Amino acid sequence: GESVGLHLPTLSVQEGDNSIINCAYSNSASDYFIWYKQESGKGPQFIIDIRSNMDKRQGQRVTVLLNKTVKHLSLQIAATQPGDSAVYFCAEKIQGAQKLVFGQGTRLTINP
Amino acid sequence: GAGVSQSPRYKVAKRGQDVALRCDPISGHVSLFWYQQALGQGPEFLTYFQNEAQLDKSGLPSDRFFAERPEGSVSTLKIQRTQQEDSAVYLCASSPRQVSNQPQHFGDGTRLSIL
Repeated sequence: GESVGLHLPTLSVQEGDNSIINCAYSNSASDYFIWYKQESGKGPQFIIDIRSNMDKRQGQRVTVLLNKTVKHLSLQIAATQPGDSAVYFCAEKIQGAQKLVFGQGTRLTINP
Repeated sequence: GAGVSQSPRYKVAKRGQDVALRCDPISGHVSLFWYQQALGQGPEFLTYFQNEAQLDKSGLPSDRFFAERPEGSVSTLKIQRTQQEDSAVYLCASSPRQVSNQPQHFGDGTRLSIL
């Protein structure tokens, strides 16, 4: 399949380890944040979201942390599996708008 | 259940030709978005519909780009007089309600190559 991102920041972890992907967002008026996973040749797939009135939200094997003071978002993936290999994007939505503004993306590679 | 469907998956056109890209959103979804994704980059917003109303077209790069959603369901993105810099993946996303702060669900996109 096609490569989603050729010159992205990369993170390599061993299968079974935990991974943390970081994202700095730009606008203090953003009120909603989403993490997407994008595999080669496919569209972004929703993983987890968080509203600005929260600082932590957990899903199945994933946790999102939001630090509004420093405008930082992170995605933690527990017990990584080969299927977690993909490019991960954070996205923010500014209050009052509908569009998402995406970050640069991080390529996560899971080593067996 | 059926997700967002886009067609064609791949489109090759010669510079100067017009192209039309189709998006079938998830049934019943009110909001529909178009994004452009260049190689190695995150998606960038083009335009937004709420039902048949185009409420935000601030991301359309030029007047060669036109989008419509006449009956509030299927949408078409048209690019006239294509140029090489239009080569990208065009993604469509939909979300269920008018209320904001909910996930947008994406299709797999149309990869457009302009020769």
